[in-house]
Amino acid sequence: DGGITQSPKYLFRKEGQNVTLSCEQNLNHDAMYWYRQDPGQGLRLIYYSQIVNDFQKGDIAEGYSVSREKKESFPLTVTSAQKNPTAFYLCASGFPTGQGARKLFFGSGTQLSVL
Amino acid sequence: AQSVAQPEDQVNVAEGNPLTVKCTYSVSGNPYLFWYVQYPNRGLQFLLKYITGDNLVKGSYGFEAEFNKSQTSFHLKKPSALVSDSALYFCAVRGPSGNTPLVFGKGTRLSVIA
Repeated sequence: DGGITQSPKYLFRKEGQNVTLSCEQNLNHDAMYWYRQDPGQGLRLIYYSQIVNDFQKGDIAEGYSVSREKKESFPLTVTSAQKNPTAFYLCASGFPTGQGARKLFFGSGTQLSVL
Repeated sequence: AQSVAQPEDQVNVAEGNPLTVKCTYSVSGNPYLFWYVQYPNRGLQFLLKYITGDNLVKGSYGFEAEFNKSQTSFHLKKPSALVSDSALYFCAVRGPSGNTPLVFGKGTRLSVIA
C-alpha cells in the first residue's frame, strides 16, 4: 500500500448526502483509478484518469463523480444518486512498465456504509 | 472487449501441498496478464505479470503463473502452500493498447489448512 493514501478508512453516508473519498499518491504516477469492490463481484472500475484535468468513465460511473486537478490527487464523490453505495472502494495508481503494461499500486481502501 | 474469468470462488488446499488458482481470459491481440493478492481489509498487492517472453512467470512469495495462449489461460501456482498464503486472489487482463484499464476477475478465495 506504500505511496497511496486513502482516507477515511471507514465512512458513513446518510440518505441524500454526498460524500467524498480521498486518494493521494506520492509515486509520481500519471494514471489513477477508482474501483468498487462488492463481495463475489470482484473489482469494478468507476472512473480513471490518465493525466491531470482529464478523466474517463469506467463501467459503473453512474452516481459518482471525480476530479483530477493535481497529479497527486483523485478524489471520488459518491452522490445521492448512487442508490446502493455500500461497498469497499479502492484507489489505484500506475505508470508504464516495460512494453507498456501498467502495474497498479493500490491504497488500503475505504469502507463506505449507509446509515 | 476484454474479460477474465476465475471459475472457482474458493480453493482449499492443505499446507505443504501444491496449489493452483485458475484464470482464463479474453482479449483482442496479445494480452497483458496480472495476478494480485488481497489480505483482509487491505488493498491489492501485485504478485506477478506476463507481458511477453517465457510462458512461465515467477513472482513474489514463491508464486508463479503459466501463460497458455492456446487455452487462453494464466493459472497461478505454488509448489508448496503456506497457511499465510490464505487470501483473496485476483487475475487481471488488459489489451495491448497502452491506455486500456485493467479488467479484474471476481476473485478466488484461497484457504490453506494446517
